[in-house]
Amino acid sequence: DSGVTQTPKHLITATGQRVTLRCSPRSGDLSVYWYQQSLDQGLQFLIQYYNGEERAKGNILERFSAQQFPDLHSELNLSSLELGDSALYFCASSFGTSGRETDTQYFGPGTRLTVL
Amino acid sequence: AQTVTQSQPEMSVQEAETVTLSCTYDTSESDYYLFWYKQPPSRQMILVIRQEAYKQQNATENRFSVNFQKAAKSFSLKISDSQLGDAAMYFCAYTHYNQGGKLIFGQGTELSVKP
Repeated sequence: DSGVTQTPKHLITATGQRVTLRCSPRSGDLSVYWYQQSLDQGLQFLIQYYNGEERAKGNILERFSAQQFPDLHSELNLSSLELGDSALYFCASSFGTSGRETDTQYFGPGTRLTVL
Repeated sequence: AQTVTQSQPEMSVQEAETVTLSCTYDTSESDYYLFWYKQPPSRQMILVIRQEAYKQQNATENRFSVNFQKAAKSFSLKISDSQLGDAAMYFCAYTHYNQGGKLIFGQGTELSVKP
């Protein structure tokens, strides 16, 4: 158990819908990262937050957004869902020393999203 | 742009034997970090080992060790005394502090362990 929790474990929804994925980092970790794992794209970095602020952005679609709350949990919002958004979404956390984000990232169990 | 390449989509090893998984990367940076993550059928991403590029000594964690060749930009993972529980997808990953901490992953190597 990495100490990172993600809910829900599975999500099945229809095209055009909106969903919210939730992540709680390990105790003491300030950085949260979101990754998408799909068969065709592999593991792709989406976005990073550090202590409530967006720190880095990757290949995240405009239909996707995220935020980190004062209690450091994070949510990833996916809207206008398409079939191609079906994937495993991981949250990871690290201590995240400001300016030197090379701390080891510990991953949650993931949320499997299926868009029908 | 930095890239990570794992050229072996699948590997197989006999239980108790040793296997080496390959990884190469491309970067112009000198101070970076490399990782191996394991993803078993449960899909959980588990850290196996971490290597800091400024360290010449190869990292080891019990039965897992790396062969880090900085000049060749090579970072292979050696698993000794393979066990059935080692069967998984293994991902090599790279990061540098100017990446904002994001991990760049290779395509993965599926390792099967034969009893």
